[in-house]
Formats: sequence, C-alpha cells, structure tokens
Amino acid sequence: ETGVTQTPRHLVMGMTNKKSLKCEQHLGHNAMYWYKQSAKKPLELMFVYNFKEQTENNSVPSRFSPECPNSSHLFLHLHTLQPEDSALYLCASSHLGLAEPYNEQFFGPGTRLTVL
Amino acid sequence: AQSVTQLGSHVSVSEGALVLLRCNYSSSVPPYLFWYVQYPNQGLQLLLKYTSAATLVKGINGFEAEFKKSETSFHLTKPSAHMSDAAEYFCAVSEDGANNLFFGTGTRLTVIP
Repeated sequence: ETGVTQTPRHLVMGMTNKKSLKCEQHLGHNAMYWYKQSAKKPLELMFVYNFKEQTENNSVPSRFSPECPNSSHLFLHLHTLQPEDSALYLCASSHLGLAEPYNEQFFGPGTRLTVL
Repeated sequence: AQSVTQLGSHVSVSEGALVLLRCNYSSSVPPYLFWYVQYPNQGLQLLLKYTSAATLVKGINGFEAEFKKSETSFHLTKPSAHMSDAAEYFCAVSEDGANNLFFGTGTRLTVIP
C-alpha cells in the first residue's frame, strides 16, 4: 500500500448504528486530518492530529469521535448520526517540520457515507 | 479571517481551448495558496502551491497560476485543455502554511471533444 488509504470506501448506516472509518498513511507523516466534503459546500476541516495529539476540533458534534492511536492510523467513530451527516469523508496527512513553512497534505480517496 | 471564493461552479471548455478557473482569496496576512484537483472517486491531489516565492507558479499537468496581490486572486490556467483534465478543482488558502487549509466550493471542469 502506498500513500493514504481509507476503508471502507462506501458505508451505509442507520441512525442508530455505530461504525468506524479507518485511515492509514504510509508516508511517514506526523500529522493527520479528517475532512467532510458535502455537495456544493467547501471542504470542512473536522479534526487535526499532530504527533498523535488532537490540536483542532472545528466544533464537530460529539456523534463524531476521532482516535489516533499512532502517527500512521486515524479513526473516525460514528454513532447516532443524522441524514445530514451523509457526505464524503476524506482523510489527509502531512509532515510538519521546521525546514519548510508548509508541507503538502496528501489525501486519501475518501469514504462515501450514507445515513438512512 | 481567511476564505476563498471560486467563481463558477461549472466551467466547460472545448478540447484544445484555454482553461481559466478563477479564485479570489481573503487573508489578513500574506497567504499560502493552493490548487487541488479531484478526479472521480479519488481524493484531492495537489496541482501547485504559492508560498511567497515567484508569483507565477507552475504545477503538474501543464497548469499554472499567478498570484496577484492587488487583485487578491490566484487564477488557474492551462493553455490547451485535454480530455483528461475533466475533474473538480479546488482553491485553498492558509495563513499558517501548516495545518489549516480553507477550501473554496470547487469548480467542475468539463472538456468537450
């Protein structure tokens, strides 16, 4: 596997279900991100983890719960979601270092989530 | 506050014609600016980035963008469209150049044979 992988690629769940999205990066990066992509809206940054520590939570409802057990893996645990949570969830990673002002974010292919 | 506006949610061009995708930004400090491309069923891929070096930035696949501070613009161009350029394009801005990217709503490019 190379780059950033996400599983599953598609997920359909009911509002009472509990499911998890998984992201794995094979790039040796130290920062990971969750984004939500809804139709006709800008990508919304949900969570940021730097060196496994959460540094950003953009007012995301508690029904979304991130977990970063190590710098290569990122999970998004879902429970009691609403139909408006249906979207494409993208994971990204980057390398934060002192040598550059910016390090490119590499994106996974996303998980298409449908909440019934 | 930083934000990005992409004019035109859909742009259609003929194969071989000029591609121009517009992006205007708002930032309180000198920004970092990016263009990403998303092909169907794929994640976003970086096309090019502006990080305060040259104002004309060349990217992959023949794309380039020019940073114009006076117009707060960072429009994406390609001299001759190819069928494989059909995709969605996102402009993004960052003030800290690190974690926080703010994206526009995207422009879907259609290339007509």
